[in-house]
Amino acid sequence: EVQLVESGGGLVQPGGSLRLSCAASGFSFSTFAMNWVRQAPGKGLEWVSYINSGSTNIYYADSVKGRFSISRDNAKNSLYLQMKSLRAEDTAVYYCARSRIGSYSQRLDYWGQGALVTVSS
Amino acid sequence: SYVLTQPPSVSVAPGQTASITCGGNNIGSKSVHWYQQRPGQAPVLVVYDDIDRPSGIPERFSGSDSGNTATLTISRVEAGDEADYYCQVWDSFSDHPLVFGGGTKLTVL
Repeated sequence: EVQLVESGGGLVQPGGSLRLSCAASGFSFSTFAMNWVRQAPGKGLEWVSYINSGSTNIYYADSVKGRFSISRDNAKNSLYLQMKSLRAEDTAVYYCARSRIGSYSQRLDYWGQGALVTVSS
Repeated sequence: SYVLTQPPSVSVAPGQTASITCGGNNIGSKSVHWYQQRPGQAPVLVVYDDIDRPSGIPERFSGSDSGNTATLTISRVEAGDEADYYCQVWDSFSDHPLVFGGGTKLTVL
């Protein structure tokens, strides 16, 4: 069974840092691209970042570029999101999600349950 | 970057058919994926590549994609279908390749 479990969320002050982790199991993690997607309270889904299986292709949303860094450790079946210079508007539930590659497209076929990040003083 | 437009809300009576649209420039040339998100839960993929359903998703969920509009159709709507629905595409030529629509709240009357 595919499982994605996020951890590392919590309360952080504006300007602070936080590192999210996503532990993957039930599939060959090293062969799949992964994503972080967030959802602010009462708002829609916002894609945050993407990393391919070999960490050679990485993309970020403009809203987090230069502040967030995605990485992965295939030996540990883990995905990470290092977040710096956090702002109130970064408050959200952060989901890790597996990419499934199709014809000229990628979809998110499995999602974790999410980790809540609250940025507040 | 590519923009997807969804109506904020759609209402339907139980047993009827709900249609949720997703507008985008020449979206018919892209593969569209749809997610269902019930309150307090993570999103679930319900339709991918315009028309396909993952295993475990009822046949009542179907999709279409042509021109500038993609549509998720839910037949014989049930109370349990009440949720937010999001469309998504992958824009291969962008530095921001994964795009979500703004979401549609489906209310079952």
